[in-house]
Amino acid sequence: AQSVTQPDIHITVSEGASLELRCNYSYGATPYLFWYVQSPGQGLQLLLKYFSGDTLVQGIKGFEAEFKRSQSSFNLRKPSVHWSDAAEYFCAVGAYNAGNMLTFGGGTRLMVKP
Amino acid sequence: DADVTQTPRNRITKTGKRIMLECSQTKGHDRMYWYRQDPGLGLRLIYYSFDVKDINKGEISDGYSVSRQAQAKFSLSLESAIPNQTALYFCATSPQGNYGYTFGSGTRLTVV
Repeated sequence: AQSVTQPDIHITVSEGASLELRCNYSYGATPYLFWYVQSPGQGLQLLLKYFSGDTLVQGIKGFEAEFKRSQSSFNLRKPSVHWSDAAEYFCAVGAYNAGNMLTFGGGTRLMVKP
Repeated sequence: DADVTQTPRNRITKTGKRIMLECSQTKGHDRMYWYRQDPGLGLRLIYYSFDVKDINKGEISDGYSVSRQAQAKFSLSLESAIPNQTALYFCATSPQGNYGYTFGSGTRLTVV
């Protein structure tokens, strides 16, 4: 069965600083990988996804993520954080043989200092 | 109107009470899911349905039941609520063969 680990429960960065949120997955084959963002009182919104091809994936709101098979990682990055990026971020993995099912990591809560 | 609507948005109930959380969608998706979110644990799958006649247990289905009344409606019931079912509950939908999940805004349930 697949699993996802987000090692950082909380991260605080200053506005304008760069950001990297870590995600490690466990799955025996090539996974489908996703990053979602949850703003307070809202549902989850898809930031980006990786299915195959180029390992650097661009998403919405200026986010990108890089799939590294050798490290079983799919870290999310943003060059310059805005105060509106404060939210909770979830990494998820989907398995080809699991019928669209997503397994989520525990989440990372991002706080942005002015 | 939202694509995936969950009602109620917030609910406080007493231990032992039966409660139903409702989800309706206008996406036309075949697949519907119920997740619960707990701090540090992310979202965990409770039940999922691939069509009206197909209901499946997820990883944490004990203490819960579901009903798929129509393609657009998927309800989650707690037969006898207990405090450790206090959580944020999300309904989601997706089309067949596609990971394009759409999430509702969640129901915050507190069991006292």
